[in-house]
Amino acid sequence: EAGVTQFPSHSVIEKGQTVTLRCDPISGHDNLYWYRRVMGKEIKFLLHFVKESKQDESGMPNNRFLAERTGGTYSTLKVQPAELEDSGVYFCASSQLTYEQYFGPGTRLTVT
Amino acid sequence: AQSVTQPDIHITVSEGASLELRCNYSYGATPYLFWYVQSPGQGLQLLLKYFSGDTLVQGIKGFEAEFKRSQSSFNLRKPSVHWSDAAEYFCAVAPGDTGNQFYFGTGTSLTVIP
Repeated sequence: EAGVTQFPSHSVIEKGQTVTLRCDPISGHDNLYWYRRVMGKEIKFLLHFVKESKQDESGMPNNRFLAERTGGTYSTLKVQPAELEDSGVYFCASSQLTYEQYFGPGTRLTVT
Repeated sequence: AQSVTQPDIHITVSEGASLELRCNYSYGATPYLFWYVQSPGQGLQLLLKYFSGDTLVQGIKGFEAEFKRSQSSFNLRKPSVHWSDAAEYFCAVAPGDTGNQFYFGTGTSLTVIP
């Protein structure tokens, strides 16, 4: 069974540019989560999808971040325009059962 | 405020030595508790979890953790560390009453020396 995959693994962009991160959950998992780890800090929750609906987006830092989940399958997280403080590792996780979250390898975003 | 504390940012142990990684949390009720490990280039892998019942839980790769309600702790242990255990370890908590999100500690980086 394929795990959670994320693309790209690493992205370097300049301040003001746009970046789109993609997450493919484990097949059949209705729940999809985005988390972010800023260097040296804890991994923080961003939002939670149930199928294509946003269940909880309380962790989204501001309106420069837009998450979508097309047809309840893969998800994208767009940052527009990117700021320096957006640098970090973005993790995606999926689950079918509550509290059984499977994490992807993360996308390292560097904003210069 | 809800928080998860991993007081040790970095730990170095010799191969074959025992290991204990500390985790404390602050929540009103007993949350669901997890330990994850991240090896370089890999995703977060679940080592073990505690929901209820026996407070000593066994996980993969020879790890175990003990939930102590009185201390609000969930420390991870391994009796004999292998070089392949070098990685970053994260304690996570799911309060259960505030949705499905996890709260993580800042992580502990483990170095294993021969």
